[in-house]
Amino acid sequence: TQLLEQSPQFLSIQEGENLTVYCNSSSVFSSLQWYRQEPGEGPVLLVTVVTGGEVKKLKRLTFQFGDARKDSSLHITAAQTGDTGLYLCAGRSFYNQGGKLIFGQGTELSVKP
Amino acid sequence: DTEVTQTPKHLVMGMTNKKSLKCEQHMGHRAMYWYKQKAKKPPELMFVYSYEKLSINESVPSRFSPECPNSSLLNLHLHALQPEDSALYLCASSHRGGRELFFGSGTQLSVL
Repeated sequence: TQLLEQSPQFLSIQEGENLTVYCNSSSVFSSLQWYRQEPGEGPVLLVTVVTGGEVKKLKRLTFQFGDARKDSSLHITAAQTGDTGLYLCAGRSFYNQGGKLIFGQGTELSVKP
Repeated sequence: DTEVTQTPKHLVMGMTNKKSLKCEQHMGHRAMYWYKQKAKKPPELMFVYSYEKLSINESVPSRFSPECPNSSLLNLHLHALQPEDSALYLCASSHRGGRELFFGSGTQLSVL
């Protein structure tokens, strides 16, 4: 069973702080996506990383894909209250690319003013 | 148009009711999905349609019945649900075999 382990599961920080969320697996993934979900809404795609070692930036968010394509991280600089939400990593195994999308357990982020 | 539209936004139903959830996309995607999500948990896959044919059923109870009338529409028919079926039901679409899903805003379902 391919699993994506996300950590931490819960994170409560003050506005202006930095944070990192991790998404790890023992399996190789052809790509990984990061989604953000606000309460009562569907997940919204933030980014897709494809190449081992890839780094992508989206304003204050920095996404990395591990060299071996088994792990990814999301770093938020100077968090704002609008960053509050559930962050999900997801991907398809490199060896089962027609298979279903695998989700991590999610990271519930609360940014307090 | 990059939206997936789901209706209704909220639904309350009794265990003997029959209701339907609707989903529509106009992005030309040929794969459409139903997910169930409990609070603060990741979405759980229920069904996948590819080119309007059911390709994956994740052993979902028969009280949930999906339907794909055409490439833009996806329905989920509900009958004799249980209180534990209360959840956020999400529709999503992608290019066939696509790695990125585009989700609707969901239907928050409460079964009394």
